[in-house]
Amino acid sequence: GNSVTQMEGPVTLSEEAFLTINCTYTATGYPSLFWYVQYPGEGLQLLLKATKADDKGSNKGFEATYRKETTSFHLEKGSVQVSDSAVYFCALRLLTGGFKTIFGAGTRLFVKA
Amino acid sequence: GAVVSQHPSWVICKSGTSVKIECRSLDFQATTMFWYRQFPKQSLMLMATSNEGSKATYEQGVEKDKFLINHASLTLSTLTVTSAHPEDSSFYICSAVGQSYKGSEQFFGPGTRLTVL
Repeated sequence: GNSVTQMEGPVTLSEEAFLTINCTYTATGYPSLFWYVQYPGEGLQLLLKATKADDKGSNKGFEATYRKETTSFHLEKGSVQVSDSAVYFCALRLLTGGFKTIFGAGTRLFVKA
Repeated sequence: GAVVSQHPSWVICKSGTSVKIECRSLDFQATTMFWYRQFPKQSLMLMATSNEGSKATYEQGVEKDKFLINHASLTLSTLTVTSAHPEDSSFYICSAVGQSYKGSEQFFGPGTRLTVL
């Protein structure tokens, strides 16, 4: 079946530290991959996406590269800020699935000043 | 960006009662809306897909007589949890895809926390 596995949190970092949140997927076919972010009290927002192998999605200093050979889409940021504290969800969507999106469990990030 | 709202943001009800949750797209017309359920520290589980003017499509294992979905207009979908029980307590999230955003992304509401006593 189709699934997304991401590292358990919470992840606690100091400001300006390097962030990596691991995400791997299992899919039949060729999915598009996404990272969503959920700030406290708000809905999920699209952070970045990649639609094919070797694509790199980037936004607000975050990056993730679609690695087909390792079925991974790890999220990275070189220098986190307190305002990056949120829950991050990795997700996939199959071309044949319409807009059905399959989510990982989410990883909570705390950034300390 | 597009905004999706949910009402109420939280609700507490007694076992056996029914609860209605509204999902509205505020600045675009949503041809398709999705309802998700999220348990603590778990991922969002898709419950059903609703298209305006037609019956919702439920995922396997979701009781359609218990979770009634009505997509009455291009800006409103409702989820009614009928005869709620404590095991229905959860965080319910809707999302919407609009005509003008076809093929791009979903927009998510902030969620509704349901607690059944």
